[in-house]
Amino acid sequence: EAGVAQSPRYKIIEKRQSVAFWCNPISGHATLYWYQQILGQGPKLLIQFQNNGVVDDSQLPKDRFSAERLKGVDSTLKIQPAKLEDSAVYLCASSLLSPQGTLYGYTFGSGTRLTVV
Amino acid sequence: AQTVTQSQPEMSVQEAETVTLSCTYDTSENNYYLFWYKQPPSRQMILVIRQEAYKQQNATENRFSVNFQKAAKSFSLKISDSQLGDTAMYFCAFMKLLGLLSGNTGKLIFGQGTTLQVKP
Repeated sequence: EAGVAQSPRYKIIEKRQSVAFWCNPISGHATLYWYQQILGQGPKLLIQFQNNGVVDDSQLPKDRFSAERLKGVDSTLKIQPAKLEDSAVYLCASSLLSPQGTLYGYTFGSGTRLTVV
Repeated sequence: AQTVTQSQPEMSVQEAETVTLSCTYDTSENNYYLFWYKQPPSRQMILVIRQEAYKQQNATENRFSVNFQKAAKSFSLKISDSQLGDTAMYFCAFMKLLGLLSGNTGKLIFGQGTTLQVKP
């Protein structure tokens, strides 16, 4: 099966600029996640979609970050305006969970490394 | 709130030897998943092994096995016959095992990671 696709692989921007990341999950995976991984730390969930609805965005800095998942398939994460502390790897993942909570798959993309200068 | 702690920032092992990575977690949940992920420089997060908390038997995957101590909330990873390709960052992660209608978001909570260096 094809994996989770992300683009771009790398992005360098100046502070106060805007940037967008794209993710295409595994076909059939209803749940999509965006994680932020700061260098030397474990990933932290930013936002989670179930189909095209937001399930959890409690850790998303909503004054500058936004995300959407149109038609319940691919997703875009945007940062505007970027700050130096947004430098990180942004990982997209998708999963297939049964209504009872059984996990059938949880796959990560290769991530986008963002550097804000 | 759940937390995951990896107390070893860096570990090293000689090729062909055995190494154990430690992980402890804190939760009030009774049903959950625990995972070990490997992250090489390519940044891809690769699943190494997974354990369901309701299963008493420790999970194994070829050279990788876990020691799951539910009462102690401990979940260590043992890598046998270490290979150069095992060099990577390893993350322990926790996920609730609940139905979607019961609030299972599938959110993974990660530890800080352990950098493993396998030396020739």
